[in-house]
Amino acid sequence: EAQVTQNPRYLITVTGKKLTVTCSQNMNHEYMSWYRQDPGLGLRQIYYSMNVEVTDKGDVPEGYKVSRKEKRNFPLILESPSPNQTSLYFCASRMGISSGNTIYFGEGSWLTVV
Amino acid sequence: GENVEQHPSTLSVQEGDSAVIKCTYSDSASNYFPWYKQELGKRPQLIIDIRSNVGEKKDQRIAVTLNKTAKHFSLHITETQPEDSAVYFCAASPLFSGGYNKLIFGAGTRLAVHP
Repeated sequence: EAQVTQNPRYLITVTGKKLTVTCSQNMNHEYMSWYRQDPGLGLRQIYYSMNVEVTDKGDVPEGYKVSRKEKRNFPLILESPSPNQTSLYFCASRMGISSGNTIYFGEGSWLTVV
Repeated sequence: GENVEQHPSTLSVQEGDSAVIKCTYSDSASNYFPWYKQELGKRPQLIIDIRSNVGEKKDQRIAVTLNKTAKHFSLHITETQPEDSAVYFCAASPLFSGGYNKLIFGAGTRLAVHP
């Protein structure tokens, strides 16, 4: 079954404590991306990757890091989380970098930073 | 850069009525316009999409129209049912250098269908 898997699904953490949200896809997709969803703001792109070792900033990259060492994995790293990073996070993947290919979303990760 | 505005932010209709959600985009190079439905606590799901070379597309009770000149596109849901209640997101996809298409999302419309 084609899927994008994120972990953890729910996390409450404290300010400054480094955390990583993992994302893995089993479809051999080149393109992967992270979004955050906040009320009234829709989904905003944090970082994206067009292939292994190729990553770039999205619209709201501040406070986040990513890596793409393997094609299937694209972890999101919060080195020093702050309360304004409390949000719902979605990982997504699709075949290729051009539009028109279906984008697959993970189930989402609810992150609360206190 | 590309900006996508979506209206209304909330929409309440009676079961059986039609619902229309409108989006405008700023980048005339955008060539792909998907619509996503997100039920409470779940991931966004693609429900319909349209490309810039097509003016209208229909799939059962849902349809999307695109006006490239005015740079706006709309989602139409007919004969609404309670299970249509969800948040709907439009998106536009401008083409960047290297052939990369980015998806820019609207802020979302919360649709409530009342029995």
